[in-house]
Amino acid sequence: DAKTTQPPSMDCAEGRAANLPCNHSTISGNEYVYWYRQIHSQGPQYIIHGLKNNETNEMASLIITEDRKSSTLILPHATLRDTAVYYCIGKLIFGKGTKLSVKP
Amino acid sequence: DSGVTQTPKHLITATGQRVTLRCSPRSGDLSVYWYQQSLDQGLQFLIQYYNGEERAKGNILERFSAQQFPDLHSELNLSSLELGDSALYFCASSPHTGVGNEQFFGPGTRLTVL
Repeated sequence: DAKTTQPPSMDCAEGRAANLPCNHSTISGNEYVYWYRQIHSQGPQYIIHGLKNNETNEMASLIITEDRKSSTLILPHATLRDTAVYYCIGKLIFGKGTKLSVKP
Repeated sequence: DSGVTQTPKHLITATGQRVTLRCSPRSGDLSVYWYQQSLDQGLQFLIQYYNGEERAKGNILERFSAQQFPDLHSELNLSSLELGDSALYFCASSPHTGVGNEQFFGPGTRLTVL
Protein backbone atom coordinates (compact mmCIF):
# COMPACT_ATOMS: atom_id res chain seq x y z
CA ASP A 1 0.00 0.00 0.00
CA ALA A 2 1.18 3.48 -0.87
CA LYS A 3 2.37 5.74 1.92
CA THR A 4 1.66 9.42 1.74
CA THR A 5 3.42 12.51 3.09
CA GLN A 6 1.58 15.65 4.15
CA PRO A 7 2.60 18.80 6.01
CA PRO A 8 1.55 18.52 9.66
CA SER A 9 -0.31 21.82 9.73
CA MET A 10 -1.50 24.72 7.61
CA ASP A 11 -3.39 27.95 8.17
CA CYS A 12 -5.86 29.56 5.81
CA ALA A 13 -7.86 32.77 5.99
CA GLU A 14 -11.62 32.43 5.87
CA GLY A 15 -12.96 32.93 2.36
CA ARG A 16 -9.64 32.16 0.71
CA ALA A 17 -8.73 28.97 -1.10
CA ALA A 18 -7.03 26.28 0.94
CA ASN A 19 -4.52 24.20 -1.00
CA LEU A 20 -3.44 21.04 0.77
CA PRO A 21 -0.54 19.14 -0.77
CA CYS A 22 0.17 15.43 -0.60
CA ASN A 23 3.13 13.43 -1.79
CA HIS A 24 2.37 9.84 -2.81
CA SER A 25 5.40 8.90 -4.85
CA THR A 26 5.03 5.17 -4.10
CA ILE A 27 1.49 4.91 -5.35
CA SER A 28 0.97 2.26 -8.00
CA GLY A 29 -0.44 2.97 -11.44
CA ASN A 30 -3.93 1.69 -10.75
CA GLU A 31 -4.26 2.93 -7.20
CA TYR A 32 -6.63 5.79 -6.49
CA VAL A 33 -5.80 8.69 -4.20
CA TYR A 34 -8.50 9.37 -1.59
CA TRP A 35 -9.00 12.41 0.60
CA TYR A 36 -10.85 12.39 3.92
CA ARG A 37 -11.18 14.89 6.72
CA GLN A 38 -11.81 14.47 10.42
CA ILE A 39 -13.34 17.16 12.58
CA HIS A 40 -12.35 16.78 16.24
CA SER A 41 -12.92 13.11 17.14
CA GLN A 42 -15.79 12.53 14.73
CA GLY A 43 -15.61 9.77 12.15
CA PRO A 44 -13.58 10.73 9.08
CA GLN A 45 -15.60 12.12 6.20
CA TYR A 46 -14.94 11.17 2.58
CA ILE A 47 -14.18 14.19 0.39
CA ILE A 48 -13.00 13.14 -3.05
CA HIS A 49 -10.84 10.66 -4.93
CA GLY A 50 -9.02 10.47 -8.24
CA LEU A 51 -6.75 8.35 -10.41
CA LYS A 52 -5.20 10.45 -13.17
CA ASN A 53 -7.53 13.26 -14.10
CA ASN A 54 -8.44 16.27 -12.01
CA GLU A 55 -11.70 15.86 -10.16
CA THR A 56 -14.25 18.26 -8.71
CA ASN A 57 -17.30 17.79 -6.57
CA GLU A 58 -19.44 19.96 -4.34
CA MET A 59 -16.87 19.86 -1.56
CA ALA A 60 -13.51 20.26 -3.25
CA SER A 61 -11.25 19.91 -6.25
CA LEU A 62 -8.42 17.44 -6.62
CA ILE A 63 -5.42 18.14 -8.82
CA ILE A 64 -3.17 15.16 -9.54
CA THR A 65 0.21 15.65 -11.20
CA GLU A 66 0.81 13.91 -14.49
CA ASP A 67 3.40 11.58 -12.94
CA ARG A 68 0.89 10.79 -10.14
CA LYS A 69 3.51 11.37 -7.48
CA SER A 70 1.61 14.16 -5.79
CA SER A 71 -1.76 15.80 -5.55
CA THR A 72 -3.38 18.92 -4.13
CA LEU A 73 -6.78 19.20 -2.51
CA ILE A 74 -8.38 22.58 -3.04
CA LEU A 75 -11.14 23.99 -0.87
CA PRO A 76 -12.11 26.99 -3.01
CA HIS A 77 -13.63 29.20 -0.30
CA ALA A 78 -12.60 27.93 3.11
CA THR A 79 -14.94 28.51 6.04
CA LEU A 80 -14.39 28.09 9.77
CA ARG A 81 -16.23 24.78 9.55
CA ASP A 82 -13.49 23.45 7.27
CA THR A 83 -11.07 23.42 10.21
CA ALA A 84 -10.13 19.76 10.48
CA VAL A 85 -7.41 17.19 9.92
CA TYR A 86 -7.19 16.28 6.25
CA TYR A 87 -5.92 12.86 5.21
CA CYS A 88 -4.60 11.86 1.83
CA ILE A 89 -4.44 8.07 1.50
CA GLY A 90 -3.48 5.56 -1.12
CA LYS A 91 -5.66 2.75 0.05
CA LEU A 92 -5.91 1.89 3.71
CA ILE A 93 -2.93 3.65 5.28
CA PHE A 94 -3.93 6.85 7.02
CA GLY A 95 -0.93 8.96 8.04
CA LYS A 96 -1.00 11.85 10.48
CA GLY A 97 -2.68 14.13 7.95
CA THR A 98 -2.62 17.92 7.78
CA LYS A 99 -4.28 19.94 10.48
CA LEU A 100 -5.94 22.83 8.64
CA SER A 101 -6.88 25.84 10.71
CA VAL A 102 -9.19 28.33 9.01
CA LYS A 103 -8.98 31.70 10.70
CA PRO A 104 -11.37 34.67 10.54
CA ASP B 1 -24.83 11.61 9.36
CA SER B 2 -23.07 8.96 7.26
CA GLY B 3 -25.73 6.29 7.79
CA VAL B 4 -23.28 4.03 9.62
CA THR B 5 -24.18 3.32 13.23
CA GLN B 6 -21.93 2.09 16.01
CA THR B 7 -22.78 0.96 19.50
CA PRO B 8 -21.98 1.64 22.22
CA LYS B 9 -20.72 5.22 22.01
CA HIS B 10 -18.61 4.86 25.13
CA LEU B 11 -17.30 1.81 26.92
CA ILE B 12 -15.31 1.71 30.12
CA THR B 13 -13.87 -1.58 31.28
CA ALA B 14 -10.96 -3.10 33.16
CA THR B 15 -7.77 -4.76 32.02
CA GLY B 16 -8.16 -8.42 31.17
CA GLN B 17 -11.81 -8.06 30.19
CA ARG B 18 -13.49 -8.74 26.85
CA VAL B 19 -15.79 -6.38 24.94
CA THR B 20 -17.77 -6.42 21.73
CA LEU B 21 -18.25 -3.40 19.50
CA ARG B 22 -21.07 -3.38 17.00
CA CYS B 23 -21.41 -1.72 13.61
CA SER B 24 -24.34 -1.44 11.22
CA PRO B 25 -23.31 -0.36 7.71
CA ARG B 26 -25.23 1.95 5.41
CA SER B 27 -28.16 0.31 3.70
CA GLY B 28 -26.88 -1.64 0.71
CA ASP B 29 -23.19 -1.47 1.60
CA LEU B 30 -21.55 -4.88 1.61
CA SER B 31 -18.07 -3.88 2.81
CA VAL B 32 -17.25 -3.10 6.43
CA TYR B 33 -13.93 -1.79 7.72
CA TRP B 34 -12.64 -1.46 11.28
CA TYR B 35 -10.08 1.12 12.40
CA GLN B 36 -8.41 1.97 15.68
CA GLN B 37 -7.43 5.54 16.48
CA SER B 38 -5.23 6.27 19.45
CA LEU B 39 -3.45 9.52 20.25
CA ASP B 40 0.01 8.31 19.38
CA GLN B 41 -0.75 5.96 16.49
CA GLY B 42 -3.24 7.84 14.39
CA LEU B 43 -5.88 5.97 12.40
CA GLN B 44 -4.88 2.33 11.96
CA PHE B 45 -6.68 -0.08 9.65
CA LEU B 46 -7.58 -3.34 11.38
CA ILE B 47 -9.67 -5.48 9.07
CA GLN B 48 -12.18 -5.45 6.20
CA TYR B 49 -15.10 -7.76 5.49
CA TYR B 50 -17.07 -8.01 2.29
CA ASN B 51 -20.41 -9.81 2.32
CA GLY B 52 -19.40 -11.95 5.26
CA GLU B 53 -15.92 -12.84 4.08
CA GLU B 54 -12.64 -11.40 5.30
CA ARG B 55 -11.24 -9.22 2.51
CA ALA B 56 -8.16 -7.52 3.91
CA LYS B 57 -6.23 -7.56 7.14
CA GLY B 58 -4.16 -4.82 8.69
CA ASN B 59 -2.43 -4.46 12.02
CA ILE B 60 -5.01 -6.40 13.98
CA LEU B 61 -3.78 -8.06 17.17
CA GLU B 62 -4.43 -11.74 17.78
CA ARG B 63 -6.47 -10.74 20.83
CA PHE B 64 -8.88 -8.97 18.47
CA SER B 65 -11.29 -10.66 16.12
CA ALA B 66 -14.14 -9.58 13.92
CA GLN B 67 -16.95 -11.02 11.88
CA GLN B 68 -19.69 -9.88 9.54
CA PHE B 69 -23.09 -11.48 9.87
CA PRO B 70 -25.64 -12.41 7.15
CA ASP B 71 -27.56 -9.19 7.83
CA LEU B 72 -24.24 -7.40 7.12
CA HIS B 73 -23.74 -5.92 10.56
CA SER B 74 -20.29 -6.48 11.99
CA GLU B 75 -18.82 -7.00 15.42
CA LEU B 76 -15.30 -6.39 16.66
CA ASN B 77 -14.32 -8.47 19.66
CA LEU B 78 -11.46 -7.29 21.87
CA SER B 79 -10.21 -9.67 24.55
CA SER B 80 -7.60 -9.69 27.31
CA LEU B 81 -7.77 -5.94 27.22
CA GLU B 82 -4.71 -3.86 28.05
CA LEU B 83 -4.38 -0.20 28.95
CA GLY B 84 -2.95 0.45 25.49
CA ASP B 85 -6.16 -0.70 23.85
CA SER B 86 -7.85 2.48 25.00
CA ALA B 87 -8.75 4.26 21.79
CA LEU B 88 -11.49 5.31 19.42
CA TYR B 89 -12.71 2.45 17.25
CA PHE B 90 -14.30 3.37 13.96
CA CYS B 91 -16.30 1.30 11.60
CA ALA B 92 -16.72 2.31 7.96
CA SER B 93 -18.80 0.87 5.16
CA SER B 94 -18.53 0.98 1.39
CA PRO B 95 -20.70 -0.14 -1.50
CA HIS B 96 -17.64 -1.26 -3.43
CA THR B 97 -16.11 -4.70 -3.61
CA GLY B 98 -12.48 -3.64 -3.72
CA VAL B 99 -10.13 -2.90 -0.87
CA GLY B 100 -9.89 0.65 0.39
CA ASN B 101 -12.51 2.31 -1.76
CA GLU B 102 -14.70 5.27 -0.83
CA GLN B 103 -15.67 4.66 2.78
CA PHE B 104 -18.35 6.12 5.03
CA PHE B 105 -17.39 6.23 8.68
CA GLY B 106 -19.51 5.81 11.75
CA PRO B 107 -19.29 8.05 14.82
CA GLY B 108 -16.98 5.64 16.64
CA THR B 109 -16.87 3.86 19.97
CA ARG B 110 -14.60 5.31 22.61
CA LEU B 111 -13.06 2.49 24.64
CA THR B 112 -11.39 3.24 27.96
CA VAL B 113 -9.51 0.44 29.68
CA LEU B 114 -8.74 1.11 33.34
